[in-house]
Parts: sequence; C-alpha cells; structure tokens
Amino acid sequence: DVKVTQSSRYLVKRTGEKVFLECVQDMDHENMFWYRQDPGLGLRLIYFSYDVKMKEKGDIPEGYSVSREKKERFSLILESASTNQTSMYLCASRDVSYEQYFGPGTRLTVT
Amino acid sequence: EDQVTQSPEALRLQEGESSSLNCSYTVSGLRGLFWYRQDPGKGPEFLFTLYSAGEEKEKERLKATLTKKESFLHITAPKPEDSATYLCAVQARNSSNTGKLIFGQGTTLQVKP
Repeated sequence: DVKVTQSSRYLVKRTGEKVFLECVQDMDHENMFWYRQDPGLGLRLIYFSYDVKMKEKGDIPEGYSVSREKKERFSLILESASTNQTSMYLCASRDVSYEQYFGPGTRLTVT
Repeated sequence: EDQVTQSPEALRLQEGESSSLNCSYTVSGLRGLFWYRQDPGKGPEFLFTLYSAGEEKEKERLKATLTKKESFLHITAPKPEDSATYLCAVQARNSSNTGKLIFGQGTTLQVKP
C-alpha cells in the first residue's frame, strides 16, 4: 500500500512565525504535491515537484515556498504565517498511473 | 478553461436508497478521471480511475462510469458508513508530465439508518 505521512495532524502557530510542514512518501514516486483545502473553495494546488530539487508553482503559491532535497520528502514552508493561511494542508504523491495518494492532512491554525 | 463541476453539493439518503452523484468536466483532452472519498478531518482516499468513455469500475456498493462529458458515481443500497464527501478530479493530457489535477467541489453524502 502507498503510504504518505505528514509530520503533524494539528498545528497552532502565531502570526509571523516560520512554519514547516513535512511530507514523506514511501513508494519512490517522482511527483509530489501540496494542496490546501478550505470550505467552499475545495482543494487548491499550492506547489508541486516532479523531481528532486525541481518545483513548480501551482494556483496559489503566494506566501509559500517548498523544498525537495530527497525524493521521498517534500516540505512546505510558510515564510511568515498569517491568519489567512489557517487551513487544512494536504500532501499527495503520484504514481505512474497518474493516481494521487494523499496524506492524512495537517490542520494549521494561525493566531 | 478546464473545469470540473459536481452535483448535487449535498445529498441525503435513507439506508438502502440507491442514487447517483454527477461529475461534469470540460478539459482539453482527458488523460484520466479520478474519484476520491474524504471523511471529515482526513485526507482524500483514492477510489477509482477512469480513462476512456464507456469505462466502468466497481468496488462494493460503488460503481463509477464515464462518458465524454461526465462521470457518475452510482451508490447501490448505501449504508451509513458510506457517508462522506466524494471528490471528482480530472487530469488533462497536456499536464501528463506534471500530474496536475483539477478538482470539483465535492458532493457530501449523508446516509441515514
């Protein structure tokens, strides 16, 4: 079974803090993704990576950056957290059949 | 513009009452259509992939079908444990390298005993 894990299920941070969300997959997938999910807005793509050290902006990259130093790990960074970044963050990785497998999510609250 | 629309937004069924969820899509060349189930507070769980019109996939009480413009997720004799939000997503041929998916807003299904 594909397994995608995320570093935290729940996280509370203060405005202005630098926040790291980590995602690890164990299936040697090349493509990995970060989404945020908000009520009424659905899933929105923040960034994705198609190889180590390769990244591309998604639909809402502002205020975020990413890092992929190893194939199995994809990190999302909030440089200076703001209250409008309170959300559910979901990581996914993609296999050769184009199916994306999601992690359990991180519920981030910025106060 | 590539787009995915799901209907209805919410659906309430009695246990055993069969129904269908709709996913309409507009995409410049379909690479694949995906169905996911999402329980509250959790990540989406992969259900099915459909690649071409006429294709059907089944899993327990769920059956997914695909035409050139839409997909249906048929739920036969649902049980309360089928209650969840069902998400539809498509991948366009021109995004095959990146794997970028376009998601619908989802249908929230509630099955009452």
